[in-house]
Amino acid sequence: QQPVQSPQAVILREGEDAVINCSSSKALYSVHWYRQKHGEAPIFLMILLKGGEQKGHDKISASFNEKKQQSSLYLTASQLSYSGTYFCGTEMYGNEKLTFGTGTRLTIIP
Amino acid sequence: GAVVSQHPSRVICKSGTSVKIECRSLDFQATTMFWYRQFPKKSLMLMATSNEGSKATYEQGVEKDKFLINHASLTLSTLTVTSAHPEDSSFYICSARDLRLVNTEAFFGQGTRLTVV
Repeated sequence: QQPVQSPQAVILREGEDAVINCSSSKALYSVHWYRQKHGEAPIFLMILLKGGEQKGHDKISASFNEKKQQSSLYLTASQLSYSGTYFCGTEMYGNEKLTFGTGTRLTIIP
Repeated sequence: GAVVSQHPSRVICKSGTSVKIECRSLDFQATTMFWYRQFPKKSLMLMATSNEGSKATYEQGVEKDKFLINHASLTLSTLTVTSAHPEDSSFYICSARDLRLVNTEAFFGQGTRLTVV
């Protein structure tokens, strides 16, 4: 079952913040976050493994909640280069395949 | 990060012909490769999972006789779209992981845009 992301789309001005949520109906082993530009392959952002884990680099961070069925991606002081579609990829226990969420299209305007 | 090379990046073929797409891990060994299909403005839908040296596992609704997957070595997997039809036109992306390593990310190829005319 495909994880649900919210919002579906968001438009921000440069410098604003955004939060993207990923929700699964099943307990997860890990959550991966990717960004995809139009016509290109997804680019890996980060992986979260433990409930309660928070991770980040530069101005992009993420959390993985204790019940391990939800994750959020935080983008602070957004830059034009952050534009693209963000996908969470979820992995369940005992199953190595990544199932991607519905996607969130982020547009940053000057 | 590791490099996964997918070829060709674009292909146009006639209806009824077959097309082969290659996915190579250039600087690591991929025990497992995944093939995805993506429609415009949609998410990546997993088609199949292939493990080196064994048969691919297809997702529900994916025709195994139409989408032939071979993973003969730890660095190469191929997807062959047989008897292609216009409805097979799509963006196909592979990803690769070495699952002998704990908690590793998936590395993606550049994708192949297939157009069947």
